[in-house]
Amino acid sequence: GNSVTQMEGPVTLSEEAFLTINCTYTATGYPSLFWYVQYPGEGLQLLLKATKADDKGSNKGFEATYRKETTSFHLEKGSVQVSDSAVYFCALTTGTGRRALTFGSGTRLQVQP
Amino acid sequence: GAVVSQHPSWVICKSGTSVKIECRSLDFQATTMFWYRQFPKQSLMLMATSNEGSKATYEQGVEKDKFLINHASLTLSTLTVTSAHPEDSSFYICSAPEIVFPGANVLTFGAGSRLTVL
Repeated sequence: GNSVTQMEGPVTLSEEAFLTINCTYTATGYPSLFWYVQYPGEGLQLLLKATKADDKGSNKGFEATYRKETTSFHLEKGSVQVSDSAVYFCALTTGTGRRALTFGSGTRLQVQP
Repeated sequence: GAVVSQHPSWVICKSGTSVKIECRSLDFQATTMFWYRQFPKQSLMLMATSNEGSKATYEQGVEKDKFLINHASLTLSTLTVTSAHPEDSSFYICSAPEIVFPGANVLTFGAGSRLTVL
């Protein structure tokens, strides 16, 4: 079956620090990969996605590259801000059509001024 | 962008009562909706897939008689927690596919409903 493994949090960084949140996966077939973000009191929002190997998803300064050889989709940002404090979920789906997502456990990021 | 509205955002009920949570797609039609459950500091676990006009598909280990799902229209799915008990206290989240393209779909999520059973 499908599964997603994320690094445990919380991750605490100072403003303008470099961020990496590791994500690895196992999947049947060729998955599409996603990062979702959950700000306090809000629903999950799609941050970025990649649908095939070597694709790079990017949004709001965040990036993640689909690495098939290492089955990874690590999230990175060069300079975090206090407003980036949230819980980040790595997720995948396989197949076509309206499929549910399989989520990682989530990583809480706390950015201090 | 697409919006999924969930109601209520939080509810407290007594043990033994039933609670209904609504999930609406506001500006798009959703023939399929997914219901997730999130425990504190844990990931989202898929409970069931709600299908408009047909029975929901439940994940293994989810009691279909306890968690009744009805997808009455193309914009509304409801989750009813029947005879709720304290162990049912959790954060329930619905989602609907916003975009379907070859190889993947993007889910839009509701803000979630926090259920506390006393």
